[in-house]
Amino acid sequence: GAGVSQSPSNKVTEKGKDVELRCDPISGHTALYWYRQRLGQGLEFLIYFQGNSAPDKSGLPSDRFSAERTGESVSTLTIQRTQQEDSAVYLCASSSYIQETQYFGPGTRLLVL
Amino acid sequence: SQQGEEDPQALSIQEGENATMNCSYKTSINNLQWYRQNSGRGLVHLILIRSNEREKHSGRLRVTLDTSKKSSSLLITASRAADTASYFCATDARSSNTGKLIFGQGTTLQVKP
Repeated sequence: GAGVSQSPSNKVTEKGKDVELRCDPISGHTALYWYRQRLGQGLEFLIYFQGNSAPDKSGLPSDRFSAERTGESVSTLTIQRTQQEDSAVYLCASSSYIQETQYFGPGTRLLVL
Repeated sequence: SQQGEEDPQALSIQEGENATMNCSYKTSINNLQWYRQNSGRGLVHLILIRSNEREKHSGRLRVTLDTSKKSSSLLITASRAADTASYFCATDARSSNTGKLIFGQGTTLQVKP
């Protein structure tokens, strides 16, 4: 079956612009996670969705970051008024449930000029 | 703060040799997962080991977990040039009810042909 997909693969934007990143999880996976990876670093947790439960937003670095998920399907991560420090690879993962294997998408490489 | 820390940061070996990477973490965990990442993009899941397990095997991979020392190791036997990648350990803290993973900085493995 299809894995986790993300779009766009690459995004170049100007400082101050808004960007929207998309994640399509594996069908049937109830848990969805967003992570950020800066160059040469490990991944940092951003936000978690599980079914209709309230999301865990504890990893979002500022109020410029927000994310939505419709039911158990697509999720979008929005970064408003982008800054150069937002440049990173944004990775999405899904799992059948919490504490199970997380499967990652290919990521969106964001460059803020 | 980082939950997982890998050691060494970089490892260079000849094809056919074994590679051992270590991971230490700070808090009690539900499980620990190892991932491989090529060229800074999507992560490939290798092995998940639960807190009540001590060792798991998958092909040429062997993972051990010592919860008393809060450490894990990943052994790749008979390495191949295709094993060249970055390897990350990630822990799912028991204090978390979301399954979010906390990653180390990774070990960069180079296997010379």
